[in-house]
Amino acid sequence: DQQVKQNSPSLSVQEGRISILNCDYTNSMFDYFLWYKKYPAEGPTFLISISSIKDKNEDGRFTVFLNKSAKHLSLHIVPSQPGDSAVYFCAASTSGTASKLTFGTGTRLQVTL
Amino acid sequence: GAGVSQSPSNKVTEKGKDVELRCDPISGHTALYWYRQRLGQGLEFLIYFQGNSAPDKSGLPSDRFSAERTGESVSTLTIQRTQQEDSAVYLCASSIRQWGNSPLHFGNGTRLTVT
Repeated sequence: DQQVKQNSPSLSVQEGRISILNCDYTNSMFDYFLWYKKYPAEGPTFLISISSIKDKNEDGRFTVFLNKSAKHLSLHIVPSQPGDSAVYFCAASTSGTASKLTFGTGTRLQVTL
Repeated sequence: GAGVSQSPSNKVTEKGKDVELRCDPISGHTALYWYRQRLGQGLEFLIYFQGNSAPDKSGLPSDRFSAERTGESVSTLTIQRTQQEDSAVYLCASSIRQWGNSPLHFGNGTRLTVT
């Protein structure tokens, strides 16, 4: 039962353009969402998060949007840079079980020159 | 080093053997987590330690899996009688407290291959 879904396994975007990575969830109890970035042979690194009381959170080139009614969140990267090429994981949790982040399967982003 | 350290980085073992994976969390981080990632899948929660509280073992897939943590330092994940389906990258993470708004900091993982 995949409670967090990233339906696009890969995405290719030209440098300077916007990258949009999508994530859907099924558990309505999730109230905290995060994006992690992973380079090959390294562990995931935290990128940005959003609480369910918000619908947008921005940090530099990265913006996360949350649509609770659609159980959908997205990560926007603008402008995309070659160094953004990595696997991006969406993760979610509920307040009562904060230790158990539920991760999606990841989207591999390739930013081309 | 300032990050989470895991050893070994790679481990190849024969089916039926026991393996032990080690994690050194970031100094001062009271919470420690083990996850694993099997090929083509997301990260799967295994176990969580917070200070001196009883660990949350609810993610361990079978009784062949166990983990220990000494105080707020090193943790070891032990897999007994390994099976081929145990092949995965085992990731350790720590956070400054039960995470809430405190992100997890991951190590680079141990890639386990069971032949």
